[in-house]
Amino acid sequence: EPEVTQTPSHQVTQMGQEVILRCVPISNHLYFYWYRQILGQKVEFLVSFYNNEISEKSEIFDDQFSVERPDGSNFTLKIRSTKLEDSAMYFCASTLTAGNTEAFFGQGTRLTVV
Amino acid sequence: TQLLEQSPQFLSIQEGENLTVYCNSSSVFSSLQWYRQEPGEGPVLLVTVVTGGEVKKLKRLTFQFGDARKDSSLHITAAQPGDTGLYLCAGVGAGGTSYGKLTFGQGTILTVHP
Repeated sequence: EPEVTQTPSHQVTQMGQEVILRCVPISNHLYFYWYRQILGQKVEFLVSFYNNEISEKSEIFDDQFSVERPDGSNFTLKIRSTKLEDSAMYFCASTLTAGNTEAFFGQGTRLTVV
Repeated sequence: TQLLEQSPQFLSIQEGENLTVYCNSSSVFSSLQWYRQEPGEGPVLLVTVVTGGEVKKLKRLTFQFGDARKDSSLHITAAQPGDTGLYLCAGVGAGGTSYGKLTFGQGTILTVHP
């Protein structure tokens, strides 16, 4: 069964450092998303991406965040200068189309900022 | 901002009991999805409800979408220890750049004791 894969599964970084979280969406999917889940809190939308550009971003997704699809397969989330409050599980998801369709989630990257 | 209120947050019951989880919003979504999330993994889709008043069954799980498409419920009959997990409701964005974006509820942690 096709799946979304994320690497690394766990990343520890020092405050102020840049991190890149990587995702390989399902190959024929066209819409890509990043969500995050701070420990004990709800899953929150960060950004959606379609046709090589951002469709929508949340208030969380400020200038410190960026996304890129550098080639035909990878979808990355970069945090330029990490803060302690960026510590969370980050989930990548992809869908074949937008709307009432199943989102396939990766297993997540646990980011710990120290 | 669209919000989903999910209740209860925690549910601890004995095997064989029935339970209902509620998901309520002041906004209309194009559809509503229910996910189950295991520790250390991403959410996995259980069902999508689209039409107001729709009822879908998945074995012992019954999902209902309110007539006004603002609320939904998940009912589990004769719960089993294998039903233990985190259940999430998510509203699917209704249009424009929000199309496909998921807004999650807080989640319900269900524990079924043998």
